[in-house]
Amino acid sequence: GESVGLHLPTLSVQEGDNSIINCAYSNSASDYFIWYKQESGKGPQFIIDIRSNMDKRQGQRVTVLLNKTVKHLSLQIAATQPGDSAVYFCAENTAPGDYKLSFGAGTTVTVRA
Amino acid sequence: DAGVIQSPRHEVTEMGQEVTLRCKPISGHNSLFWYRQTMMRGLELLIYFNNNVPIDDSGMPEDRFSAKMPNASFSTLKIQPSEPRDSAVYFCASSLRAPYGYTFGSGTRLTVV
Repeated sequence: GESVGLHLPTLSVQEGDNSIINCAYSNSASDYFIWYKQESGKGPQFIIDIRSNMDKRQGQRVTVLLNKTVKHLSLQIAATQPGDSAVYFCAENTAPGDYKLSFGAGTTVTVRA
Repeated sequence: DAGVIQSPRHEVTEMGQEVTLRCKPISGHNSLFWYRQTMMRGLELLIYFNNNVPIDDSGMPEDRFSAKMPNASFSTLKIQPSEPRDSAVYFCASSLRAPYGYTFGSGTRLTVV
């Protein structure tokens, strides 16, 4: 039978190449965004965050870009490694002043050796 | 720091039974969040607490679900009676300055048969 559920976007990347993972967010009032990485059998792990008064932020091998005009967030991973294989989630704080985060559906990244 | 600690890691129970999931947040964190993850709906916020007080329980699916935080170092999520559609991975997260710096536990995989 047909499987029912979220159809997560997938990205297959050659080891050593750069990865770009995209996320469209819903609320123009959102003022804070985070990328999380979730490996199989584990909880989401913080990667990098960005506030709405910035359009770019860099970490170690990762860069987050924010385009508020089109409500788009991206995560760039440089020199992708096998250990980067995971599901990646973007999350947004949709109500400034509130404590909670809303998560996107996630993107599955597979790194080919 | 040991991180956010959840127990049990796996729970299999029969429909109609009571299930209690437990969470110990990171010491000093003042916000605690319960999320549920399924293939159908992704990561959903069920309820969150700030300074041990429930702030938003609008994500709790129905009266069969209840959550408590009797002190700053312990929270429970209870399902009574459990149903097969409650099968999911339940995550607890805590933060010192929500929505910044959420740290997730490893989750409890619940299977209701």
